[in-house]
Amino acid sequence: AQSVAQPEDQVNVAEGNPLTVKCTYSVSGNPYLFWYVQYPNRGLQFLLKYITGDNLVKGSYGFEAEFNKSQTSFHLKKPSALVSDSALYFCAVRSSPSGNTPLVFGKGTRLSVIA
Amino acid sequence: SAVISQKPSRDICQRGTSLTIQCQVDSQVTMMFWYRQQPGQSLTLIATANQGSEATYESGFVIDKFPISRPNLTFSTLTVSNMSPEDSSIYLCSVVRGGKNIQYFGAGTRLSVL
Repeated sequence: AQSVAQPEDQVNVAEGNPLTVKCTYSVSGNPYLFWYVQYPNRGLQFLLKYITGDNLVKGSYGFEAEFNKSQTSFHLKKPSALVSDSALYFCAVRSSPSGNTPLVFGKGTRLSVIA
Repeated sequence: SAVISQKPSRDICQRGTSLTIQCQVDSQVTMMFWYRQQPGQSLTLIATANQGSEATYESGFVIDKFPISRPNLTFSTLTVSNMSPEDSSIYLCSVVRGGKNIQYFGAGTRLSVL
């Protein structure tokens, strides 16, 4: 079985500071990892994914994530946070590259960027 | 990205009634996924709907409670039957489209059961 852990319910950061949202995963075989963002009253928006290759993945809105196989982690990062980044962030995993395999989600981390 | 339309966007329903949620995609897709997001919780997969076959339900979800239809490659419905307040959640339709195997989501249906 596959699972995702997001150890922080809430992350607070000052505008302009770097931010990190943590994610660790458990999967048999190779992991296929994703980050999504959910703004109030809206569906999930895809940010970035890791399938293979470079451990540092760049995505939308200046976000990036670093895949660390030895630590089974896939932390989301941004060098300089914006107030508009305040939202709910979900890490997700699947054990197959196939789109026919649905994603398994972490519980989410609420990011609050303070001006 | 895929354009996914869900209807209704929100509803308030009485206990014991049923609600059917529609999901329309702007292009043909093989699989459609239905998720539930309970208040303050993560997304939980309800079922996977493949056109032309019975939906596959996850543990804890049954067809009598959440019947799903998939009449063609662009449309699916999820019915929440005999509702109770515990069914109050956001229900999300999701598809994978394109060669990058990214899962896209509709805006969701926010259901409140009184």
